[in-house]
Amino acid sequence: GAVVSQHPSWVICKSGTSVKIECRSLDFQATTMFWYRQFPKQSLMLMATSNEGSKATYEQGVEKDKFLINHASLTLSTLTVTSAHPEDSSFYICSARVASTSTYNEQFFGPGTRLTVL
Amino acid sequence: AQSVTQLGSHVSVSEGALVLLRCNYSSSVPPYLFWYVQYPNQGLQLLLKYTTGATLVKGINGFEAEFKKSETSFHLTKPSAHMSDAAEYFCAVTLFGNEKLTFGTGTRLTIIP
Repeated sequence: GAVVSQHPSWVICKSGTSVKIECRSLDFQATTMFWYRQFPKQSLMLMATSNEGSKATYEQGVEKDKFLINHASLTLSTLTVTSAHPEDSSFYICSARVASTSTYNEQFFGPGTRLTVL
Repeated sequence: AQSVTQLGSHVSVSEGALVLLRCNYSSSVPPYLFWYVQYPNQGLQLLLKYTTGATLVKGINGFEAEFKKSETSFHLTKPSAHMSDAAEYFCAVTLFGNEKLTFGTGTRLTIIP
């Protein structure tokens, strides 16, 4: 259980175009999803937190108009990179969490999406 | 705010030798601590976690870690390294009631045949 998928796993696009990345919780309902960005050989940096049915909360320094996040259902969140540029090339990872009464609500991570902008 | 520091961006050990990956945390309140493993071009897999209770926690693939409050540490160990352990390892921290994870910079583990 607790499987999170991402689609696509790999995408190349031209500069100026927009790219949408999907994150799905396959066997549970995710009240909260997180989007991370990872540069080569670096750690994960949280970009934003999204709760189903509400606007995403972006971390400081993340352009919300550039990285559009939609969490329309309890099993799907999307990240759209608008007007992509080469500096947006990165590995994007999502995670999903379900609220419970436990002491900690574990995040389950997707396999990541590698974006290359030419 | 909480943070974690991983000492050593690269660690190499011989197959069969002890694996020790270091993680120190900074937190004003009792933390929740995690170790994740990442294989190339993949997401993160949880190895083990400490929330409350026993300070020595055992995880998957033979790994374990001990929460030492006096040393603010949560080092990851494995008695005998296997070739399949070669990967990137991340220590992470969060606090009760805080949904965000803060990751360390990662340690790349190389296993020497």
